[in-house]
Amino acid sequence: QKEVEQDPGPLSVPEGAIVSLNCTYSNSAFQYFMWYRQYSRKGPELLMYTYSSGNKEDGRFTAQVDKSSKYISLFIRDSQPSDSATYLCAMRRETSGSRLTFGEGTQLTVNP
Amino acid sequence: EAGVAQSPRYKIIEKRQSVAFWCNPISGHATLYWYQQILGQGPKLLIQFQNNGVVDDSQLPKDRFSAERLKGVDSTLKIQPAKLEDSAVYLCASSSYRDPYEQYFGPGTRLTVT
Repeated sequence: QKEVEQDPGPLSVPEGAIVSLNCTYSNSAFQYFMWYRQYSRKGPELLMYTYSSGNKEDGRFTAQVDKSSKYISLFIRDSQPSDSATYLCAMRRETSGSRLTFGEGTQLTVNP
Repeated sequence: EAGVAQSPRYKIIEKRQSVAFWCNPISGHATLYWYQQILGQGPKLLIQFQNNGVVDDSQLPKDRFSAERLKGVDSTLKIQPAKLEDSAVYLCASSSYRDPYEQYFGPGTRLTVT
């Protein structure tokens, strides 16, 4: 069983839609939760990170962590064609220097 | 601020050949990471350096992969001999002491082994 599971998609939505991206995980030691965006033929870039449970909002993006369910989500409001990319969840333990474990990524296309 | 630099961007080799990738992290970043990203998968950490010391190389196939970070700045990842299953994008990332949770990724080197 993989430590981190992510729906690979692909996901195609019209411009302006609300997008929900999700990951589940099995390792209860994970404490830091990240979302990366990866455009085609580019390296991933960090969108948001959250420590432990709760919500975090940054502009059109909201990250949610539910540690009791081992479930994290990223919501994108008013999606734009420029949001078209692969979204990767990643997580790590609290121990200093611990590695990031990534999900497989969800490919999102926002159609004008 | 210049980003993480990697070269070459693309490489095609035959199986059993050797190949090397180079990474120059963001200036001042003490931690450097090499990831392997197979098509359709998330990045997998191969090795992590703190300055020029290895922090984590538990997922590095040491019989064929090696990496070094001389003088704690740039780094080289080598594969010898390459196998078909090594076809992937090799990503380098770096992070600073000040914000260790944000890793900055380079554009990657796309390796095709035929």
